[in-house]
Amino acid sequence: GNSVTQMEGPVTLSEEAFLTINCTYTATGYPSLFWYVQYPGEGLQLLLKATKADDKGSNKGFEATYRKETTSFHLEKGSVQVSDSAVYFCALLSGSARQLTFGSGTQLTVLP
Amino acid sequence: GAGVSQSPSNKVTEKGKDVELRCDPISGHTALYWYRQSLGQGLEFLIYFQGNSAPDKSGLPSDRFSAERTGGSVSTLTIQRTQQEDSAVYLCASSLTPSGGGGELFFGEGSRLTVL
Repeated sequence: GNSVTQMEGPVTLSEEAFLTINCTYTATGYPSLFWYVQYPGEGLQLLLKATKADDKGSNKGFEATYRKETTSFHLEKGSVQVSDSAVYFCALLSGSARQLTFGSGTQLTVLP
Repeated sequence: GAGVSQSPSNKVTEKGKDVELRCDPISGHTALYWYRQSLGQGLEFLIYFQGNSAPDKSGLPSDRFSAERTGGSVSTLTIQRTQQEDSAVYLCASSLTPSGGGGELFFGEGSRLTVL
């Protein structure tokens, strides 16, 4: 079956630090991959996505590259801000599935 | 409102009682999903509605759980004879098209259920 594994948190960084949140997946076929973000007091929202191998999704300074050879979709940002503090979820949509499969989420706290 | 609306935002109940959670999706969105988020766990898929098609109930954990969607819009998730392990945040999401609109789901803020 489909599954997503992401690095456990919580992650605490200082402002302007480099961020990596690891995500690996298991899926049948060729899934589409996503990062969702949940800011405090808000619903989850799509941050970025990639639909095929070697695609790079990007948004708000965040990037993730779809690596088929390593079945990974790691989230990166070069310089985090306090406003990036949130929970980040990696997810996939595979084959005929009509629902996303999510990882367990990673809590990020950025200190000023 | 413009987003997905869920109610109640918080619900505390006693073991054995029934609860109903409501979701009002974005107008015009044909697909509606319920997920459950337990402490330290990912989002667990529960049920999916698409238009007038039969719902995909494959994620419902037991027959105490049921959901309906009236008129292709508002949905209600019902948990009968609640147990402590039902304590979680129940999230509703909608999308414009089937298959999550290419993966873009719009989530509500969730209903936090605590079973004492």
